[in-house]
Amino acid sequence: DTEVTQTPKHLVMGMTNKKSLKCEQHMGHRAMYWYKQKAKKPPELMFVYSYEKLSINESVPSRFSPECPNSSLLNLHLHALQPEDSALYLCASSQAFRGSYEQYFGPGTRLTVT
Amino acid sequence: GENVEQHPSTLSVQEGDSAVIKCTYSDSASNYFPWYKQELGKGPQLIIDIRSNVGEKKDQRIAVTLNKTAKHFSLHITETQPEDSAVYFCAASNFRPGNAGNMLTFGGGTRLMVKP
Repeated sequence: DTEVTQTPKHLVMGMTNKKSLKCEQHMGHRAMYWYKQKAKKPPELMFVYSYEKLSINESVPSRFSPECPNSSLLNLHLHALQPEDSALYLCASSQAFRGSYEQYFGPGTRLTVT
Repeated sequence: GENVEQHPSTLSVQEGDSAVIKCTYSDSASNYFPWYKQELGKGPQLIIDIRSNVGEKKDQRIAVTLNKTAKHFSLHITETQPEDSAVYFCAASNFRPGNAGNMLTFGGGTRLMVKP
């Protein structure tokens, strides 16, 4: 089973709202990722968690706040977003150690900021 | 950092024909090259991958080739079917020291259209 689940599928929020995106995997993966994907573009890496610790932050604005409560869950907290933050937000997971390379994506959350 | 270029950006083929998508990468230390298929409204799906110690890999109608010297790799789809229509992304990565996971750099994507 290579399933990564994400909720919600769609989210519409105003610029003053606070919302959270959730991601879950049960493959025993210890690396989890958040990507942002704009229309007709490739995914862009935002954050990497390895063994529940933030290992990479690709200079993402502080209005995006990731959290990894345990090895199966990954959250992305959203606050004071801008309309240009509207995009498909993808979660992915993989093993964290060298020698295991495959990275699996969830279906994404389609975010619209009004 | 790594830079991956992908061509063509769109590709239209007749059902039953072959399709080839090409990518080049810049970082000679890259050691892993996956291909993803993304259908409309879905997340990217890993369809095949290749590691730097292998020159070619096949899985039914899909094959990937890697030329490390030239720093390019290609996806080959034979006997295309309408359900192969999607956006395909190539990617490259080089594991960082330690346990930081697998950072992928993606190509720009190819929209493949298979006409019945």
